[in-house]
Amino acid sequence: DAMVIQNPRYQVTQFGKPVTLSCSQTLNHNVMYWYQQKSSQAPKLLFHYYDKDFNNEADTPDNFQSRRPNTSFCFLDIRSPGLGDAAMYLCATSRVQGVDGEQFFGPGTRLTVL
Amino acid sequence: AQSVTQLDSQVPVFEEAPVELRCNYSSSVSVYLFWYVQYPNQGLQLLLKYLSGSTLVKGINGFEAEFNKSQTSFHLRKPSVHISDTAEYFCAVSEGSTLGRLYFGRGTQLTVWP
Repeated sequence: DAMVIQNPRYQVTQFGKPVTLSCSQTLNHNVMYWYQQKSSQAPKLLFHYYDKDFNNEADTPDNFQSRRPNTSFCFLDIRSPGLGDAAMYLCATSRVQGVDGEQFFGPGTRLTVL
Repeated sequence: AQSVTQLDSQVPVFEEAPVELRCNYSSSVSVYLFWYVQYPNQGLQLLLKYLSGSTLVKGINGFEAEFNKSQTSFHLRKPSVHISDTAEYFCAVSEGSTLGRLYFGRGTQLTVWP
């Protein structure tokens, strides 16, 4: 089945220790998104890639970076995690040809910062 | 920017009772509307979507929603809920012109009691 995969599902890191979260997709979608979701809140868009074009949200902290080496993979790098970065991180994809906006989500990675 | 309001943060209901989760949006332009469901520690799963055509949309798990343009609403309904419907429900809107960008409401926690 075509899908969005996130690894790991649970990640524990220490305060200030860099961490990388991974997302891959078999849908061959052009657009990939990273969201941060804190407890009992809506997902908050951090940035997205339209093919190789990177689009950062204005309020995304510099601490968050992303890489998309090819169509299938996208990475979220947190350079110096703080306690406030503990959250669920969701990866999503969408077709570019269909502008109906439907996004397909992965299962998420829950990040704990000690 | 688009604004999505989910009027109820929590909705408790007994099993086999009907339920309605409310959603209003702010856009005056053509929109695409979505309801996503999120089970604990999982990603978002699409329940249903409105793109055009009939204003009554049927989705998975017996859910349906009605698009009301004059009231800018897209309320989600189910005539008889099951305990397994306990989850967080998110309403989301896309304006199409922003190429797939979704604006989420804050979510409604539906809890079904036996």
